[in-house]
Amino acid sequence: QQQVKQSPQSLIVQKGGISIINCAYENTAFDYFPWYQQFPGKGPALLIAIRPDVSEKKEGRFTISFNKSAKQFSLHIMDSQPGDSATYFCAATNGANNLFFGTGTRLTVIP
Amino acid sequence: KAGVTQTPRYLIKTRGQQVTLSCSPISGHRSVSWYQQTPGQGLQFLFEYFSETQRNKGNFPGRFSGRQFSNSRSEMNVSTLELGDSALYLCASSERGLSYNEQFFGPGTRLTVL
Repeated sequence: QQQVKQSPQSLIVQKGGISIINCAYENTAFDYFPWYQQFPGKGPALLIAIRPDVSEKKEGRFTISFNKSAKQFSLHIMDSQPGDSATYFCAATNGANNLFFGTGTRLTVIP
Repeated sequence: KAGVTQTPRYLIKTRGQQVTLSCSPISGHRSVSWYQQTPGQGLQFLFEYFSETQRNKGNFPGRFSGRQFSNSRSEMNVSTLELGDSALYLCASSERGLSYNEQFFGPGTRLTVL
């Protein structure tokens, strides 16, 4: 049973465009929602994270939008660049140090 | 600071064998978590160790075990290997093991079971 559902599975965006990845969860005990970026041959690296007491968090070109009532959160990548081409994972955790990951989105940014 | 290191990076075993993977966390980090990454199941949590004690465990069979040493280094062991154990095994460390502490991942050990 997938605790965090992620879509789309893959995404192709033109350089300069906006990439949007969506995630949904059911467990209302989740209290921390990080996004990870993974390049081939590397482990995931934390990109940005949010806690449920805020509805949006922005760091540079990356923004998390969080909708607590809908139990959904999304990652927006503004001005997408070819270097952003990677697999992105949303995740959630419930106070313990075990992350429940989404299934991943392979982003390709076309020059 | 040096990042999380995992050894070996690649491993080939045959069914029925056992394997031990090693993880050295970032200096000062006391929590080490292990994850299995496969194309079909994605990233799944195996277990977490904090101060040499297993604190959390995912939904994996008892063939998967681990331990943590006093210097926070961790090992995971898989006994009686099955073809389905072929995966990338990732180790992550964090400072105090709190949910909002950033987890830093190593590059993983690619295990192939033949």
